[in-house]
Amino acid sequence: AQSVAQPEDQVNVAEGNPLTVKCTYSVSGNPYLFWYVQYPNRGLQFLLKYITGDNLVKGSYGFEAEFNKSQTSFHLKKPSALVSDSALYFCAVRGRQGNNRLAFGKGNQVVVIP
Amino acid sequence: KAGVTQTPRYLIKTRGQQVTLSCSPISGHRSVSWYQQTPGQGLQFLFEYFSETQRNKGNFPGRFSGRQFSNSRSEMNVSTLELGDSALYLCASSLEGSGAYEQYFGPGTRLTVT
Repeated sequence: AQSVAQPEDQVNVAEGNPLTVKCTYSVSGNPYLFWYVQYPNRGLQFLLKYITGDNLVKGSYGFEAEFNKSQTSFHLKKPSALVSDSALYFCAVRGRQGNNRLAFGKGNQVVVIP
Repeated sequence: KAGVTQTPRYLIKTRGQQVTLSCSPISGHRSVSWYQQTPGQGLQFLFEYFSETQRNKGNFPGRFSGRQFSNSRSEMNVSTLELGDSALYLCASSLEGSGAYEQYFGPGTRLTVT
């Protein structure tokens, strides 16, 4: 079964500084990897995904993520954080064999300090 | 395209009652998944439907059930409500529900059990 670990409960970063949200995964074979963001009282919004090819994936709102197969990681990054990036971020993984469901991590609260 | 819609948005029920939540997926999407989100447990997978068949199921008691109609709309039902069922219930739709297809989430139904 696939699983995701997001080791930090909360990430605090000053506005304008680089933002990194960590994610490691466990899955049999090669993964499909996703990042989602959730603003208060809203559903999750899709940010980006890794399918194959280039290990650096670019997504919405200036976010990008780097796939590292040897470290089984898929960290989310943004070069310069905005106050409006304060939200809950979820990493998710799905295996490529069979009808595997999408497995989500517990989420990371990001707080961008003005 | 219209997004995923969920009705009702807010619901207050008392213990022992039952409740039905509705989800209309994005047009053309055949997969619908349901999640329960609480502050303590995070995002927990309930079940997934694809072309009117339940394809995956999470670890929830039999009080939680669902179905999908021929137009891909889905409902979930919770019988004999308990206080612990208070949560945000999220529905997500996807083209195929497997592979590299991302899920698109609705705004959720906030259920409060008193």
